[in-house]
This record gives sequence, structure tokens and C-alpha cells, in this order.
Amino acid sequence: KNQVEQSPQSLIILEGKNCTLQCNYTVSPFSNLRWYKQDTGRGPVSLTIMTFSENTKSNGRYTATLDADTKQSSLHITASQLSDSASYICVVSENSGGYQKVTFGTGTKLQVIP
Amino acid sequence: NAGVTQTPKFRILKIGQSMTLQCTQDMNHNYMYWYRQDPGMGLKLIYYSVGAGITDKGEVPNGYNVSRSTTEDFPLRLELAAPSQTSVYFCASSYSASGGAYEQYFGPGTRLTVT
Repeated sequence: KNQVEQSPQSLIILEGKNCTLQCNYTVSPFSNLRWYKQDTGRGPVSLTIMTFSENTKSNGRYTATLDADTKQSSLHITASQLSDSASYICVVSENSGGYQKVTFGTGTKLQVIP
Repeated sequence: NAGVTQTPKFRILKIGQSMTLQCTQDMNHNYMYWYRQDPGMGLKLIYYSVGAGITDKGEVPNGYNVSRSTTEDFPLRLELAAPSQTSVYFCASSYSASGGAYEQYFGPGTRLTVT
């Protein structure tokens, strides 16, 4: 069964600090991996999308890395801001030839405090 | 562009009642999806559609029905609501889901409580 596991479940950091969120997956065959940000009471918003050949992708202060060999990804947030407080969800797509089946992680809840 | 819109934002149903969750997108995306998100759980796919007139079951379709008569609209129907259907429902759309990396755009969600 395809799984996507994220750690930590929750994290509290001081404003201005950096943090790294982890994602391990067992999805195979792999197609792509996405990181989403979900604010409380809102729908997820895409941060990055990486395919098998990409091992890093940045979106402003967000940098995602992918190691397809070890099936691990991380999301690094630099110089955190209060607005970064949200859940961060790792999503992995399976390459099934037709419709891509996706598996969502349960998310890491980040709280940035002043 | 409004993106993906969902109505209603909140709804309380009694057990056995029925309702339709509305979803509309104005990005001319061919793929549309319905997910549910339970507390502490990852999003689960209920149904998806690859284009007008074509729908298919996802991971958790029981108790739900969908239709796709137009590219823009993808309503989700709950028949005989049960407490287990208490959840937050998200509609999403994407340009293409087969091959390559695509981006899904999500609506704001509908919070449904069945009592």
C-alpha cells in the first residue's frame, strides 16, 4: 500500500528562524512529489512540484529537495514569518500510465511565534 | 479568474437527509476532483472526472454520487447522510492528470456536519 509519512506532526518555531519538514514515501512507480501549504480553514495551495529528475526546487523562502533513491523529500523554510503558520502537506503521485493516483500525507502543522 | 469556488461553506445535516455540494471552476481545466479531509488524516479522493460526461470512483466513493455535465461544474451528491460523512470537503481541478507534473487548484472547502 502506498504511504506518505511526514514528520514532525507539529512544530513551533520563533519568527525569523529556519526549519525543515520531512516527507518519506513508499509510492511506486513514482511520478512526482508536491508540497502544499494549507492555512486553517482554507484549501491547500501548491508550493513546489518535483519530478523524478529534479532534486531541488525553490519558491521564495521555500526550498524543497527530493532524493528519489531513498524516497525522501524535505521542505526547508528560511527566515520564517508569522504568515508561514499553516499545515504543510506532502503529496506523491504514482505513475500508472493513465490517471495519476495521488497519496496525501497527513501534514506537518507549523506554528511561527513572535 | 475566481479559480475553484464551492458552496455552501458550512452545512449541518440530519441523518438521512440529502444534499448537493456545488463546485465550479473557471480555468477550463479538464480534470476535477472531490476530496474529503478528516481531522488528523490526509485528504482522501472520493470521485474524479477527466472531462465532461466522464467520472470515476476514487478511494472512498461509498455514499456519494457525482455528475459532470459541463467542463465548469462538478457537483457532489450525498444521499442518506450519515455521521461518518462529517468532514471537510474540497473540490479541486487541474489541466491534465495523465503524464507529467500538474498542479491542482483547490477550492475553499465545505465543512459538513451530520448529526
